Amino acid sequence: RKEVEQDPGPFNVPEGATVAFNCTYSNSASQSFFWYRQDCRKEPKLLMSVYSSGNEDGRFTAQLNRASQYISLLIRDSKLSDSATYLCVVTLSGSARQLTFGSGTQLTVLP
Amino acid sequence: EAQVTQNPRYLITVTGKKLTVTCSQNMNHEYMSWYRQDPGLGLRQIYYSMNVEVTDKGDVPEGYKVSRKEKRNFPLILESPSPNQTSLYFCASSSLTGNHYGYTFGSGTRLTVV
Repeated sequence: RKEVEQDPGPFNVPEGATVAFNCTYSNSASQSFFWYRQDCRKEPKLLMSVYSSGNEDGRFTAQLNRASQYISLLIRDSKLSDSATYLCVVTLSGSARQLTFGSGTQLTVLP
Repeated sequence: EAQVTQNPRYLITVTGKKLTVTCSQNMNHEYMSWYRQDPGLGLRQIYYSMNVEVTDKGDVPEGYKVSRKEKRNFPLILESPSPNQTSLYFCASSSLTGNHYGYTFGSGTRLTVV
């Protein structure tokens, strides 16, 4: 079983739609959680951290459910520029900078 | 501009011919790491370094070497490349202070071994 699992998609949605991505992690000792965005053939970039209380950054909302070992990312009012692959990332307790990446969910926003 | 610089961006080589991919960061980060990315497998860590002269294996270290003689540089060495090392490689760095875990990635090196 993979440590971090994501639905690979692709998700094809019309502009303006709301789309949600899910991610599950296997290690209950996981400590910190993130969403990264990766454009085609480019480097991953940090989109947002995920906090236990849930957090929002503009059109993006991230939530964490530690009991179910589940992370989500919600994108409202999708823009064409949101088209990318979204990577779910976790760190283990005691591994200060050891990030474990999911294989990503591909999103295409259509005009 | 704060950045991680990798070179080359693209490389085609033959099996067995030693090569080095360079990585340099200008942010005085202690932590540096190499990843490879393959379809369906995500990013997998090859090696990482917590500081100068301190390196350790990641999840897929076989066939690779690294060195950290200076804080800013973390080259990846393939002594005898094989076709299964054809991949997209990323170098990344991060500060070890504070609670921010964000990595800064280089632009990637697409390696093809024939």
